[in-house]
Amino acid sequence: AQTVTQSQPEMSVQEAETVTLSCTYDTSESDYYLFWYKQPPSRQMILVIRQEAYKQQNATENRFSVNFQKAAKSFSLKISDSQLGDAAMYFCAYRSASSGNTPLVFGKGTRLSVIA
Amino acid sequence: NAGVTQTPKFQVLKTGQSMTLQCAQDMNHEYMSWYRQDPGMGLRLIHYSVGAGITDQGEVPNGYNVSRSTTEDFPLRLLSAAPSQTSVYFCASSYRGILDTEAFFGQGTRLTVV
Repeated sequence: AQTVTQSQPEMSVQEAETVTLSCTYDTSESDYYLFWYKQPPSRQMILVIRQEAYKQQNATENRFSVNFQKAAKSFSLKISDSQLGDAAMYFCAYRSASSGNTPLVFGKGTRLSVIA
Repeated sequence: NAGVTQTPKFQVLKTGQSMTLQCAQDMNHEYMSWYRQDPGMGLRLIHYSVGAGITDQGEVPNGYNVSRSTTEDFPLRLLSAAPSQTSVYFCASSYRGILDTEAFFGQGTRLTVV
């Protein structure tokens, strides 16, 4: 079974600075998807960014980018120019790309605080 | 589009009571799933369905039942609530297949069992 590990339960960053959230995963598959979800205090789960394992290029979405290291099974999220609205729980998630559809497997989350 | 709608948003149950958490989506997604979120545990999969009439167990299925009679609805039933089922529950849906893999989540149901 696949597992996702987020080793940082809590992180903090100064406003306008850059922060990196870590995620590692364990799988024997070669084709899969990785995601970062944001959960603000409203509880809503918001997709931040996703990466297809077959793509070598790291995904970016505005201030959010990932460092995908397939051999190391690492998928970190970098938030640049941090804003107060970035404060939230962040979950890393894995989904197999095998036939049919498979559930998302989540890490335990990292709580990010942004200091003004 | 309403997306994924969960009801109720909050619920308090007494131990032993039963209830159904409702989940509906209007995006014609084949795939639906239920997760529970507990502090320090992330989201854990309870049950999921890859289409109408098909359901399967996830990581923590005990104490919960599901059915999928239509594409739109995927209710989660607690047969006899226990304090260990106090949690926040999320329903999610997505297209079946490889190309469209984003999951859309409901806003969650905070359940307290006393």
